[in-house]
Amino acid sequence: DTAVSQTPKYLVTQMGNDKSIKCEQNLGHDTMYWYKQDSKKFLKIMFSYNNKELIINETVPNRFSPKSPDKAHLNLHINSLELGDSAVYFCASSQGGSQGGQETQYFGPGTRLLVL
Amino acid sequence: GQNIDQPTEMTATEGAIVQINCTYQTSGFNGLFWYQQHAGEAPTFLSYNVLDGLEEKGRFSSFLSRSKGYSYLLLKELQMKDSASYLCAAMDSNYQLIWGAGTKLIIKP
Repeated sequence: DTAVSQTPKYLVTQMGNDKSIKCEQNLGHDTMYWYKQDSKKFLKIMFSYNNKELIINETVPNRFSPKSPDKAHLNLHINSLELGDSAVYFCASSQGGSQGGQETQYFGPGTRLLVL
Repeated sequence: GQNIDQPTEMTATEGAIVQINCTYQTSGFNGLFWYQQHAGEAPTFLSYNVLDGLEEKGRFSSFLSRSKGYSYLLLKELQMKDSASYLCAAMDSNYQLIWGAGTKLIIKP
């Protein structure tokens, strides 16, 4: 059983298009995250939601908009895609509760986005 | 500012021992995580330290010194499958993870 799942796994699209990536977790966690990992492999936090509420919103272009319909889902919509958006996007979840070890994050398999 | 430093790349021999160091500077501290990431895959959790000392988990051990802002991951009896990137991440006072850039570990026969 997959704990954190993302779709699609691969996404190839043209500049200027709008695309969405979906994430679901079946761990019963309260907190979900979106990360971007570029070619240098540095993991950069983009957003974090706790119980459907936005708690982290790093400096990310407003072309990126997260949506959390319920605490098990956190989707990422990207408008007007640019070449620099090409990266691997990881979704993650943690139990939450602000207790150190309960913040262990479990990652989805990643979505490899290539903008042409 | 908040910062994590770890070596970019290390090479070791199959069957040997390797130590990957990590130093951190954070606003407050709520623990230190190590993750393993194989090429093309997602990071997977290895260890969590919040108290000083060594935590052993099979072939992998993780050490923390809060006073020095220092941690290391020790891998024993290296196997080819241990070739991966190892990510150090420190949790600040807001329970947010500050990630290092990762150490790429290359294992040679």
